[in-house]
Amino acid sequence: DAGVTQSPTHLIKTRGQQVTLRCSPKSGHDTVSWYQQALGQGPQFIFQYYEEEERQRGNFPDRFSGHQFPNYSSELNVNALLLGDSALYLCASSLTRDSRNQPQHFGDGTRLSIL
Amino acid sequence: QKEVEQDPGPLSVPEGAIVSLNCTYSNSAFQYFMWYRQYSRKGPELLMYTYSSGNKEDGRFTAQVDKSSKYISLFIRDSQPSDSATYLCACDNAGNMLTFGGGTRLMVKP
Repeated sequence: DAGVTQSPTHLIKTRGQQVTLRCSPKSGHDTVSWYQQALGQGPQFIFQYYEEEERQRGNFPDRFSGHQFPNYSSELNVNALLLGDSALYLCASSLTRDSRNQPQHFGDGTRLSIL
Repeated sequence: QKEVEQDPGPLSVPEGAIVSLNCTYSNSAFQYFMWYRQYSRKGPELLMYTYSSGNKEDGRFTAQVDKSSKYISLFIRDSQPSDSATYLCACDNAGNMLTFGGGTRLMVKP
């Protein structure tokens, strides 16, 4: 049973560029959340997708956007990259039951470096 | 002030010791509490998931939640070198957005 898979594992970009990160949820899960983890810190919530719509959003600018596909996979897009966007980007999947989430399970992340 | 606080450590203990990891939180709306373990270059791995106050045990791990004092703990019995990792506590109110502490780095020495 495959867990949460993310691609690519590493990415190097320059300031001002745009990036797309991808996530496939764990089998049976229908909800995808994205988190940003700076070095030495805990993950910070970016947003969550359910039924192909953004359900909740954290304190991140509009440069961060996402999408969920009918097969529940998801993409995170970041435009106009800044040096401060360098971080580990984590995808977590879960199952929404009775209008609330079950526990979230994480992938190994995409490490994004901005030069 | 962050909503969820953790001592960053590092916490160094000998193999076989009992480890106590703790978090405090400020948002009384939090109802669900989790502990994740994160190895270097890996994503967080769910260890414990609890609802409201009380204890939950799973093998060598015990999670405690005291909502009256806004304090959550994770105990690891008979600690092993393989337990060396960063431990993250996380809190959840509406089931949609996890709020994490900064993590505690644990080192278990043989």
